[in-house]
Amino acid sequence: GAVVSQHPSWVICKSGTSVKIECRSLDFQATTMFWYRQFPKQSLMLMATSNEGSKATYEQGVEKDKFLINHASLTLSTLTVTSAHPEDSSFYICSAWTLGSPLHFGNGTRLTVT
Amino acid sequence: RKEVEQDPGPFNVPEGATVAFNCTYSNSASQSFFWYRQDCRKEPKLLMSVYSSGNEDGRFTAQLNRASQYISLLIRDSKLSDSATYLCVVRMNYGGSQGNLIFGKGTKLSVKP
Repeated sequence: GAVVSQHPSWVICKSGTSVKIECRSLDFQATTMFWYRQFPKQSLMLMATSNEGSKATYEQGVEKDKFLINHASLTLSTLTVTSAHPEDSSFYICSAWTLGSPLHFGNGTRLTVT
Repeated sequence: RKEVEQDPGPFNVPEGATVAFNCTYSNSASQSFFWYRQDCRKEPKLLMSVYSSGNEDGRFTAQLNRASQYISLLIRDSKLSDSATYLCVVRMNYGGSQGNLIFGKGTKLSVKP
């Protein structure tokens, strides 16, 4: 069964609205969660690294005020896309990791902004 | 130079063929190496880890050459179900980036009947 649950699987929203994506590790405590974005025919690109209880570390070019990450517990991280625009339409994937375990991916969220 | 480089393909092969993918990485401090498989519109799934001694899992063989900073994946007797994008992945273990994976762009494989 799934080790990391990501919700929702797909979402369509209007331009200017905010969308929250949840990533839950189901049977282990994830010290670190990663958020990726993948545009069509492109590779996965790391957006940010999130450690429980501390601020996320964003990759260069990723706006931290636009992509809000909260990692409030060892089993839950959320990514909020604020004031979404059509160019934010993409496939967002989270992954969860703790020392000694492989990296587990969520099933991804396909965001379409109209 | 990109951190992880792969031939994007696509590789179009007939069923039963043997196909090899190559990957190079730029950071000699890279610690761990993996091949992931990604189907269209799905999340990546771990195919296998790559060890210096080389390792095999059924029809799949992975090899690592640290001196050349080169990783390979060999698929024998390819099946239609092997059609996917294969991602070469390197893990850095340093400071706050423990666990962070660097992904190659992937090599697309299409196995035809």
